[in-house]
Amino acid sequence: GAVVSQHPSWVICKSGTSVKIECRSLDFQATTMFWYRQFPKQSLMLMATSNEGSKATYEQGVEKDKFLINHASLTLSTLTVTSAHPEDSSFYICSARDGQVASTDTQYFGPGTRLTVL
Amino acid sequence: GENVEQHPSTLSVQEGDSAVIKCTYSDSASNYFPWYKQELGKRPQLIIDIRSNVGEKKDQRIAVTLNKTAKHFSLHITETQPEDSAVYFCAALLGFGNEKLTFGTGTRLTIIP
Repeated sequence: GAVVSQHPSWVICKSGTSVKIECRSLDFQATTMFWYRQFPKQSLMLMATSNEGSKATYEQGVEKDKFLINHASLTLSTLTVTSAHPEDSSFYICSARDGQVASTDTQYFGPGTRLTVL
Repeated sequence: GENVEQHPSTLSVQEGDSAVIKCTYSDSASNYFPWYKQELGKRPQLIIDIRSNVGEKKDQRIAVTLNKTAKHFSLHITETQPEDSAVYFCAALLGFGNEKLTFGTGTRLTIIP
């Protein structure tokens, strides 16, 4: 149980284009999902917290108009990198918390999406 | 906000020996401390976690200890094996409606056969 998937696993795009990444909880309902970015040999940096049915909460320094987050259902959150540039190239990872288990703080991570912007 | 420091950044251990990774946190209100293992290009995987009402937790070769007074917690891996080689991250969660995990900077553990 507690499986989180991400799609695509990797993507290469041209500078200026937009890329959408999907995060799904496969066997549980996730009222809250989290989006992280990880640069090579660095830690995970939280970008935003995505809540089902409401606006995402962005961390300081993360442009909400550039990184659009939509959490339209209890099993799906999407991150769209708009007008991507080479400096946006990174490993993007989502995580989800099982909203039906009130006592758990455990976050389950997706496999990540490696974005390369040319 | 919470700040988590992790040491060492790299650690090499002879196979069969023990490895210890330490983390300190800044906010005494933090109440949940997971440890994740991440292999190159893969997702972080939860290996063990501990809550603030417990001082120690063990799962086979892996154990975590928590010192709330000193605000630090440690990961202990005994009888290390080559497959333990990976990057390990500690994290802290404030709770009380704040669900954000703050991660440490990571420790690259290498097990020498």
